[in-house]
Amino acid sequence: DAGVIQSPRHEVTEMGQEVTLRCKPISGHNSLFWYRQTMMRGLELLIYFNNNVPIDDSGMPEDRFSAKMPNASFSTLKIQPSEPRDSAVYFCASSTGGGTLNTEAFFGQGTRLTVV
Amino acid sequence: AQSVSQHNHHVILSEAASLELGCNYSYGGTVNLFWYVQYPGQHLQLLLKYFSGDPLVKGIKGFEAEFIKSKFSFNLRKPSVQWSDTAEYFCAVNAKTSYDKVIFGPGTSLSVIP
Repeated sequence: DAGVIQSPRHEVTEMGQEVTLRCKPISGHNSLFWYRQTMMRGLELLIYFNNNVPIDDSGMPEDRFSAKMPNASFSTLKIQPSEPRDSAVYFCASSTGGGTLNTEAFFGQGTRLTVV
Repeated sequence: AQSVSQHNHHVILSEAASLELGCNYSYGGTVNLFWYVQYPGQHLQLLLKYFSGDPLVKGIKGFEAEFIKSKFSFNLRKPSVQWSDTAEYFCAVNAKTSYDKVIFGPGTSLSVIP
């Protein structure tokens, strides 16, 4: 398996623009996580899905952020409008969760977002 | 709610020195425990994990960790570090419930001096 695939790897955008980050989880995994990593705040869990359903989105910073998982093999994290403070590395991870008690998360390579 | 704390923000060691990174978690129930490593500019990779059984677990690259339930701790150890171990180390926990939300500690940056 190719692992968790994220795109793009790097994104530079202007403040106010819409940004969409994409993630393809490992085939057969039914839990998907979006994390944000910054120097100041470390690794923050933004949202996670189980069987395509959002289970906990309490980490989503504000309404400008939204995430979807239309099917088992694809998820998006959208920021609209983007702001410079959104600059970070965004990681997607997946696992065989949801009723399976012993799981581990596999991470993608991340998307480095810079908002200027 | 679960939370994870790591004792050290930044550790600097010389090659061949022994390493121990502290990790404590707060959660009243049964948990899975992990250590992840992030090399500069790369994504997180699993170093080792504890699900059940022997509380001393061995991972890749000579790392091991010991789960002490009474202390809510899961410290990472390596007897002799190498320059290539320079990285950020994250302790993580998830509760053994139906949904496996993984919570990470703030990370410990390890710098190994040749």
